[in-house]
Amino acid sequence: GAVVSQHPSRVICKSGTSVKIECRSLDFQATTMFWYRQFPKKSLMLMATSNEGSKATYEQGVEKDKFLINHASLTLSTLTVTSAHPEDSSFYICSARLSGVNTEAFFGQGTRLTVV
Amino acid sequence: GIQVEQSPPDLILQEGANSTLRCNFSDSVNNLQWFHQNPWGQLINLFYIPSGTKQNGRLSATTVATERYSLLYISSSQTTDSGVYFCAAPSYNQGGKLIFGQGTELSVKP
Repeated sequence: GAVVSQHPSRVICKSGTSVKIECRSLDFQATTMFWYRQFPKKSLMLMATSNEGSKATYEQGVEKDKFLINHASLTLSTLTVTSAHPEDSSFYICSARLSGVNTEAFFGQGTRLTVV
Repeated sequence: GIQVEQSPPDLILQEGANSTLRCNFSDSVNNLQWFHQNPWGQLINLFYIPSGTKQNGRLSATTVATERYSLLYISSSQTTDSGVYFCAAPSYNQGGKLIFGQGTELSVKP
């Protein structure tokens, strides 16, 4: 199957700082990538859809100024958590599909963010 | 949008036992996936199964699209099968985003 690589896997940052998470499709091009957030013992919640060369589409209730998404190339999307607070601590996972909505989606390893 | 429901929410098995996990979805789909989330959080693709039956080793899955459900079978379970199993389907009136069920947390005891 296709490979999606996410980095870093773990990050601890101080309140008020910003953290960037990278998501790469290693062996295919992805015009669209997805960013999810997962709370403990909960399912995945879609935060935003990242579109190469255009603005991301955010889900209702997700602060676009807090969670900045950039999809500068067909293989890289980044999520920047700005001015992080302890309540932003969570598990963030990215995903990419091979092409259309009915194709298989693959996920990165996830990033566990802890804001202290 | 589509609703995806999984059952049971929790399952405890003795090593070697068999189990069936169920995924119901509210709308017609052309894409249904099963994932295993391991203890480190990684989502492992198990099956991409819009319809029919597929098998991969001790795991198999069946999707009956006309009745809007999918089943994941785990035979001769092992402790390494522990983790959370998710199914997901696209919501076509929401841009095709994948909607996840709440998951089944499986614990296999030695």
